Amino acid sequence: SQKIEQNSEALNIQEGKTATLTCNYTNYSPAYLQWYRQDPGRGPVFLLLIRENEKEKRKERLKVTFDTTLKQSLFHITASQPADSATYLCALDDSSYKLIFGSGTRLLVRP
Amino acid sequence: SQTIHQWPATLVQPVGSPLSLECTVEGTSNPNLYWYRQAAGRGLQLLFYSVGIGQISSEVPQNLSASRPQDRQFILSSKKLLLSDSGFYLCAWSGGRWVETQYFGPGTRLLVL
Repeated sequence: SQKIEQNSEALNIQEGKTATLTCNYTNYSPAYLQWYRQDPGRGPVFLLLIRENEKEKRKERLKVTFDTTLKQSLFHITASQPADSATYLCALDDSSYKLIFGSGTRLLVRP
Repeated sequence: SQTIHQWPATLVQPVGSPLSLECTVEGTSNPNLYWYRQAAGRGLQLLFYSVGIGQISSEVPQNLSASRPQDRQFILSSKKLLLSDSGFYLCAWSGGRWVETQYFGPGTRLLVL
């Protein structure tokens, strides 16, 4: 079955730097991959979706890459701000109706 | 625009008591509906999903059940709660057969004592 691996250790960076989070999957290549943001005590919020035939997707300060050869997606936040501090989850399609979510990586941006 | 509601926001229940959590979606028709549980510091565990009224798929055998009595209403229930049922319960919806994006409710934090 498909497994998703995200770094369980928190990523601690200085404001203004670029944060890079990693999502690795182990089995079949998904049709698309998504990134969500989750704040403590809240539900996840969708950020970006990238399809298997896309190498890169951008939205404002966010950039996602998708390498089906490496079975990896990288999520970048440029010019990071303390307000970007949250847990970031990646998710893959498991079937036509379901997603599998990673356990997330917590990002801490120091002022 | 679409909105998803969950209630209650917080619930403290004794072991052995029943449970009913409700989720409703506004602004869309025939959504796919999902119940997830998230343990502290952990990922999302899919519990149930539904692609239509009365259609429920269970992902994990457990002490819980789900029902979809109306198109935009999804209910999570238990007859007798266990300590291990404590967690953060999230309802989500998506549109269409191919899932793509899921939209989550605010969640219910359940503590079983």
